[in-house]
Amino acid sequence: KAGVTQTPRYLIKTRGQQVTLSCSPISGHRSVSWYQQTPGQGLQFLFEYFSETQRNKGNFPGRFSGRQFSNSRSEMNVSTLELGDSALYLCASSLESAEKLFFGSGTQLSVL
Amino acid sequence: KQEVTQIPAALSVPEGENLVLNCSFTDSAIYNLQWFRQDPGKGLTSLLLIQSSQREQTSGRLNASLDKSSGRSTLYIAASQPGDSATYLCAVLSSMEYGNKLVFGAGTILRVKS
Repeated sequence: KAGVTQTPRYLIKTRGQQVTLSCSPISGHRSVSWYQQTPGQGLQFLFEYFSETQRNKGNFPGRFSGRQFSNSRSEMNVSTLELGDSALYLCASSLESAEKLFFGSGTQLSVL
Repeated sequence: KQEVTQIPAALSVPEGENLVLNCSFTDSAIYNLQWFRQDPGKGLTSLLLIQSSQREQTSGRLNASLDKSSGRSTLYIAASQPGDSATYLCAVLSSMEYGNKLVFGAGTILRVKS
């Protein structure tokens, strides 16, 4: 059974640009969550999607958005990139909410 | 606001030693608690999930306990091996939150020397 797949693995952007990250959950998993990991702030929850609906949202500005498609694949978008957005972005899926989470390897975003 | 603290921040032990990692949380109204390991530059691997009604969970050489009333969890690793070297993260899901909004600790960096 394939794990959680995130693409791309690495991304370099400049300030002001926008970026889209993709996540394919484990087959059959309906919940997809996104987390940001930085050396200073650690792991922070961005948002969760369940059956194409945003179920919960963390304390991030509106520049961070996401969506989930009918096949449970999810995308995360960051507009008007700032230097502080440089981070490892992790996607996680679970069968249902509040169950064991399975994480992807992440997308390392560098904003120059 | 839920806060999760992990002690120690780093730990270096010789191979074969038994060790304990600690996690504390400020709000005891939790739904569950998970322990993860993270290898450098990689994603997280779930090790154990303890529901709020449970006292402990075991998987191989790993045992995690939960004392909800005191806001504490411990991860016990028996007979440590160099392959156990990684960052160990504790995360709680508050019962007041909906979905998978986990709050993570900063992690314990473990190094097992051969």
